[in-house]
Amino acid sequence: SQKIEQNSEALNIQEGKTATLTCNYTNYSPAYLQWYRQDPGRGPVFLLLIRENEKEKRKERLKVTFDTTLKQSLFHITASQPADSATYLCALLLRSNTGKLIFGQGTTLQVKP
Amino acid sequence: EAGVTQFPSHSVIEKGQTVTLRCDPISGHDNLYWYRRVMGKEIKFLLHFVKESKQDESGMPNNRFLAERTGGTYSTLKVQPAELEDSGVYFCASNNRGLGGNTIYFGEGSWLTVV
Repeated sequence: SQKIEQNSEALNIQEGKTATLTCNYTNYSPAYLQWYRQDPGRGPVFLLLIRENEKEKRKERLKVTFDTTLKQSLFHITASQPADSATYLCALLLRSNTGKLIFGQGTTLQVKP
Repeated sequence: EAGVTQFPSHSVIEKGQTVTLRCDPISGHDNLYWYRRVMGKEIKFLLHFVKESKQDESGMPNNRFLAERTGGTYSTLKVQPAELEDSGVYFCASNNRGLGGNTIYFGEGSWLTVV
C-alpha cells in the first residue's frame, strides 16, 4: 500500500542544536518532495521543495536531502531556535504543476531555550 | 499582496444543516485547491480548479460536497447535509501555473464542527 511516514512522536531538542526530521514513503514515485511548517491553528507554510533528481537543497538554516532509492527525505534545521517550534509536514507532489499534494501526518518539533 | 483568505474561520453547525465555505485565492492565481484535515488524520486533497474548471475532483468524499468557482475567482465549498464525520479543518490553497507553479500557498483554514 502507499503511505508516507513521519515520526509521530514529538522531537524535543535544545536551542542551538540541529533538528533532523525524517520522511519515508512507500509505493510512490514523486516528482517533488516538499516541506511545510504549520503552527497551531494556522495553515501550512511552504518551506522548501526538492526535485527527484536533486540530492540536497539548502535555504538559510534549512537543509533537505532526498534519496529516491531509500525513498526518504531528511529535513535539518541548524542552530535551532525556540521560534522554530512547530509541526513540520512532508508532502509529495507526484506530477509537476498539479498541486495535488500527498501529506504525511507531520512531526512536532519543540526547541527548548 | 493579500494571501489566500478563507471565510468563515470557524463554524459550528448541527448535523443535517448546510455550510458554505468560501476561499479567495491570491490574485491572479489560476489554480485553486481544497484540502481538509479531519481529527487525527493527515491533510488530504479534495479537488483542484484551473480557473473555473474542475481539473481533478478525485478527493471529494461524496456527493454531499459541492465545490464551485464561478468566474474563476473565488471558490465555495458547500456541505449539504453535514454529517458528524465532516468535522475538521478545510484548507484552500492556490498557485500559478508554469515557473514556480510547484509552490503552493495555503490559507489559514475554515474550522468546521458538526454537532
